[in-house]
Amino acid sequence: DVKVTQSSRYLVKRTGEKVFLECVQDMDHENMFWYRQDPGLGLRLIYFSYDVKMKEKGDIPEGYSVSREKKERFSLILESASTNQTSMYLCASSSSRQGTTNEKLFFGSGTQLSVL
Amino acid sequence: KQEVTQIPAALSVPEGENLVLNCSFTDSAIYNLQWFRQDPGKGLTSLLLIQSSQREQTSGRLNASLDKSSGRSTLYIAASQPGDSATYLCAVGGNQFYFGTGTSLTVIP
Repeated sequence: DVKVTQSSRYLVKRTGEKVFLECVQDMDHENMFWYRQDPGLGLRLIYFSYDVKMKEKGDIPEGYSVSREKKERFSLILESASTNQTSMYLCASSSSRQGTTNEKLFFGSGTQLSVL
Repeated sequence: KQEVTQIPAALSVPEGENLVLNCSFTDSAIYNLQWFRQDPGKGLTSLLLIQSSQREQTSGRLNASLDKSSGRSTLYIAASQPGDSATYLCAVGGNQFYFGTGTSLTVIP
């Protein structure tokens, strides 16, 4: 089975801190994604990557950056955490070339981040 | 921009009932539609993927249908069980994935 692993289930940080969220997938997927999930708003795409060292902005990239130095690892960085970044963060990878009919998303277990 | 809607937001049924969850989308130019299950505080688990050329997919007690022309998909759960209690989300695949906000299902023993 595909495994997408997020390094932390829960994180508590203070405003202004730099925060790193790590995600690793073990199925050699080319595509990786970071979403945040908030009650009533659903999942919103922050950044995605189709290849090593490649990144694309999603719908809400402000206040975030990403790094993909290796194919299996995609990191989300909060440069200076703020209280409005308190959320559930979900990493995903997909099994096929982007935009194909059999592209299937696989998710990690999520990181609940609280910024105080 | 694609908009995905799931109604109702919450649903309670007695154990053993068959039920249908709905997902609608505004742009029919999709590659696929995927149904997920999410337990509280957890990530999303993929249930079924329907490619754009397909009309339905089945897995055990689950059956998902897709009608692109009307912008609708349904997830049918047969003989519901308390273990089916979770939030169910649909995601439409196009130039990116677009998610509904989910239906929270409670199956009462």
